[in-house]
Amino acid sequence: EPEVTQTPSHQVTQMGQEVILRCVPISNHLYFYWYRQILGQKVEFLVSFYNNEISEKSEIFDDQFSVERPDGSNFTLKIRSTKLEDSAMYFCASSGGAGNTIYFGEGSWLTVV
Amino acid sequence: AQSVTQPDIHITVSEGASLELRCNYSYGATPYLFWYVQSPGQGLQLLLKYFSGDTLVQGIKGFEAEFKRSQSSFNLRKPSVHWSDAAEYFCAVERSNTGKLIFGQGTTLQVKP
Repeated sequence: EPEVTQTPSHQVTQMGQEVILRCVPISNHLYFYWYRQILGQKVEFLVSFYNNEISEKSEIFDDQFSVERPDGSNFTLKIRSTKLEDSAMYFCASSGGAGNTIYFGEGSWLTVV
Repeated sequence: AQSVTQPDIHITVSEGASLELRCNYSYGATPYLFWYVQSPGQGLQLLLKYFSGDTLVQGIKGFEAEFKRSQSSFNLRKPSVHWSDAAEYFCAVERSNTGKLIFGQGTTLQVKP
């Protein structure tokens, strides 16, 4: 079965550093998402991306965050200057269209120290 | 605003016993509803989904869920639990075909031998 893949699986970074989390969505999917889960809390929506632009973002997704689809296969989440509270599991997801199943990757665990 | 409530944070059942995980949602229109499972260190795997039609939906691994509009519920059931079912289970609602999932807090299932 096709799957969403994410790298790295775990990253430790110092506060204030830039981090890029990478995702390869399922190949024929058109909609891409980032979610995050702070330890012990709900999975939260961050951003959705379609047709090379952000279609929706949450209030969490402030100016420190950006997303990009630099080529035909990768979808990245950049955090410009990490804070301690950015420590979380970040999930990439993709779907074939509105109303279709959203498939999640295994997550990238980010620890900011 | 849309929301999802999973009243049980932690449930313990014996192997072979039946299971029901509760999920209540708040949503103005007909919801798209999902159950995902997360095993330790793993991503979110879709168990089943409800979009429309038959209110009893079958999923993978022997799980089923029933949509009850009058109760705003979408409870997950399994007739006989296996030790490998120990994991965290998330109920989610999709907001209006946007691909934006709103998750519940999650229920941790422990299975006793």
